[in-house]
Amino acid sequence: GQQVMQIPQYQHVQEGEDFTTYCNSSTTLSNIQWYKQRPGGHPVFLIQLVKSGEVKKQKRLTFQFGEAKKNSSLHITATQTTDVGTYFCAGQGYDYKLSFGAGTTVTVRA
Amino acid sequence: DAGITQSPRHKVTETGTPVTLRCHQTENHRYMYWYRQDPGHGLRLIHYSYGVKDTDKGEVSDGYSVSRSKTEDFLLTLESATSSQTSVYFCAISEEGRRGGETQYFGPGTRLLVL
Repeated sequence: GQQVMQIPQYQHVQEGEDFTTYCNSSTTLSNIQWYKQRPGGHPVFLIQLVKSGEVKKQKRLTFQFGEAKKNSSLHITATQTTDVGTYFCAGQGYDYKLSFGAGTTVTVRA
Repeated sequence: DAGITQSPRHKVTETGTPVTLRCHQTENHRYMYWYRQDPGHGLRLIHYSYGVKDTDKGEVSDGYSVSRSKTEDFLLTLESATSSQTSVYFCAISEEGRRGGETQYFGPGTRLLVL
């Protein structure tokens, strides 16, 4: 099955700044999903990307799926304190196995 | 949030004792999953179920067993708890399952400490 790596592991951001977190798979993916987990909470589904080169936006969040369907990114603009948490990507291979990355934990300096 | 509950929410037990965690859903979803979450490892699949009495192993199944006698309930059992099983355990459900893109909805989690 595929290995899914996320970088960076930690992201410390000044409020108002932008940042990007990246997800890379060892194999081509059928689709990729992103989840957010607030401190002390549970993962919550954000979005799923299926098509090569797909870009989707949710307010200040922009998700992108690479052309080769092996990588993805999440870009957050004008970071707010409500963005604090851990963001996980989960890649599903063509063997239907879903593999989660280790997550990027985001903290925000006011 | 999806209708998923987990019990207990917190558990402290001793090495060698059996422990059972319960996941209950009100969504009538066919697919249910048990994950453990540990720092630096993200979420790792322990076992999953694709229907009543239909279960299969995930990537970290050693030391765990599961049962699903009703659509709404999925039980995870640690036959003889070890300190390495100290973790946060999440149950998840999915309507589509693996062949449908498998968007998952997670329960609130159970924090287990094995002393």
